[in-house]
Amino acid sequence: GDSVTQMEGPVTLSEEAFLTINCTYTATGYPSLFWYVQYPGEGLQLLLKATKADDKGSNKGFEATYRKETTSFHLEKGSVQVSDSAVYFCALPSGSSASKIIFGSGTRLSIRP
Amino acid sequence: DVKVTQSSRYLVKRTGEKVFLECVQDMDHENMFWYRQDPGLGLRLIYFSYDVKMKEKGDIPEGYSVSREKKERFSLILESASTNQTSMYLCASSTVAGAGGRETQYFGPGTRLLVL
Repeated sequence: GDSVTQMEGPVTLSEEAFLTINCTYTATGYPSLFWYVQYPGEGLQLLLKATKADDKGSNKGFEATYRKETTSFHLEKGSVQVSDSAVYFCALPSGSSASKIIFGSGTRLSIRP
Repeated sequence: DVKVTQSSRYLVKRTGEKVFLECVQDMDHENMFWYRQDPGLGLRLIYFSYDVKMKEKGDIPEGYSVSREKKERFSLILESASTNQTSMYLCASSTVAGAGGRETQYFGPGTRLLVL
């Protein structure tokens, strides 16, 4: 079945460092791909998405490119801030139900000042 | 802005108690979901509902039931709480309207439940 695998955390970086969080997926066809973010004490919120191959989703300085050749959707940011400390989830729609979303296990990111 | 609210942020219950977790959304969304979030396991879907009085089991429905009597409200019920149900519970909603509407879920802040 469809699934998402993302790099395990926690990831700790210094402010202004470059960030990559890896995500690969298994799916039938070419579904939309998402990154959700969960800030401390809050629920998840959609960070960015890409709806087809080679699309790049971007928001708040974060980017991710839909690569069908490598079935990947890695999250990147050129210069992280303390306020980016959160848990990041890679996700895709379930193949069995258009309304369900399959989430990865999450990667906790901590940024040191 | 879409708002999804959950009745409690923190809850402490005893083994065997019946527990109700309430979720309300204010955007007239058709779909509502209950997840539990555990370290290392990510989010796991318990139940979801695509309409009033309609429900569908998710990946881990055992020990839980749900109720959706009104469109805006979706309740999760632990019939007889057990210690392995200690977790963070997240409610979410989404709409079927518009291109890609189903693809964005809006989450509440979560209820952290401790079962002693």
